[in-house]
Amino acid sequence: SQKIEQNSEALNIQEGKTATLTCNYTNYSPAYLQWYRQDPGRGPVFLLLIRENEKEKRKERLKVTFDTTLKQSLFHITASQPADSATYLCALSRSGTYKYIFGTGTRLKVLA
Amino acid sequence: GAGVSQSPRYKVAKRGQDVALRCDPISGHVSLFWYQQALGQGPEFLTYFQNEAQLDKSGLPSDRFFAERPEGSVSTLKIQRTQQEDSAVYLCASSLGGDVGNTIYFGEGSWLTVV
Repeated sequence: SQKIEQNSEALNIQEGKTATLTCNYTNYSPAYLQWYRQDPGRGPVFLLLIRENEKEKRKERLKVTFDTTLKQSLFHITASQPADSATYLCALSRSGTYKYIFGTGTRLKVLA
Repeated sequence: GAGVSQSPRYKVAKRGQDVALRCDPISGHVSLFWYQQALGQGPEFLTYFQNEAQLDKSGLPSDRFFAERPEGSVSTLKIQRTQQEDSAVYLCASSLGGDVGNTIYFGEGSWLTVV
């Protein structure tokens, strides 16, 4: 069955460093991949969408890569700040559908 | 408001009670989703509406779960005879178009605790 894996352990990094989060998937051929931020007690907030024919997407301090050969997406936050501390979710969808399948999320803590 | 609005935010139900969770999507959004999120897990798909049509209900866990969107705007998720395993956050989301490439906007969720 299809599976999406994100680092289950929390990631702690020092302020100012680059945070890199991983999303791996198996038994799936996504056409779209999204990254979301979720704060405790809140709903997920959309950050970036990348398509299967795009290798990389950037938005301000965020960068997403999508490697369909490795079946992996990397999510980078450069010059990280304590305010970036949250859980980050990846979500995948196939072309021609509307359903996104979510990973379990990775909790990021940026230490001041 | 400009975002997806859900009510109630918190609901405590006794086992066996029926509950109804409401979602007001962003005005004009065609697509509406319901997801269920257990503690420490990612959201799991329940059902999808395009306007008033329920195109996919494959994620609904049992026939105790029912969703509707009769006029293509507000949606209600109903859970009958609640069980403890139904305790979770129920997230509603909407997007402008019917294509998967659209940005999805989530509400803050309805937190259901069944005691």
